Amino acid sequence: SYELTQPPSVSVSPGQTASITCSGDKLGDKYACWYQQKPGQSPVVVIYQDTKRPSGIPERFSGSNSGNTATLTISGTQAMDEADYYCQAWDSRTEVFGGGTKLTVL
Amino acid sequence: QVQLQESGPGLVKPSQTLSLTCTVSGGSISSGNYYWSWVRQPAGKGLEWIGRIYTSGSTNYNPSLKSRVTISVDTSKNQFSLRLSSVTAADTAVYYCARGGYGGWYDYWGQGTLATVSS
Repeated sequence: SYELTQPPSVSVSPGQTASITCSGDKLGDKYACWYQQKPGQSPVVVIYQDTKRPSGIPERFSGSNSGNTATLTISGTQAMDEADYYCQAWDSRTEVFGGGTKLTVL
Repeated sequence: QVQLQESGPGLVKPSQTLSLTCTVSGGSISSGNYYWSWVRQPAGKGLEWIGRIYTSGSTNYNPSLKSRVTISVDTSKNQFSLRLSSVTAADTAVYYCARGGYGGWYDYWGQGTLATVSS
């Protein structure tokens, strides 16, 4: 079965850039999305179709997807960005979530 | 504003069938180019996609759950449902329903409902 691998945790200082990677076989051939989840809340999409940002999501969130790796980049990270982040791979037949990355802003 | 609300028994006995329903309000389940999914999350763990249904009735399921999962839609009630058979403690989780668009992005989610498998 298809699997996505994320680092369990990433730490970043406020105002710096955070990068979270998501690896999977030929991931670039699929669509990648990224979700932010805070404790006790439902996930919120922050990037979809590899690079697109939904309305209401700050410009500091950006995404890329090529080869075997998708990357979520948060520029000028703020304390409010501390959360769990999940990547998701989608194609016409199935989809799968990565294991999640806990982003700590300290 | 589209809203989704999960409902169903919070406690299911091992080997029985878990049944949940998601009620969609604020819009027709049949309108637009969307599909409707179930996603679950065990306590302290990550998200797991269970499956999705298009309003045409076409479905896709997680291969690891496919033999036990059925997702159906009732457009007259603006609802879609999940049935998971032969449950074990490993199926204990918060179950979310969500609306998906092309490319996999879920723009609306329910608040989630905890389903516990225990005798």
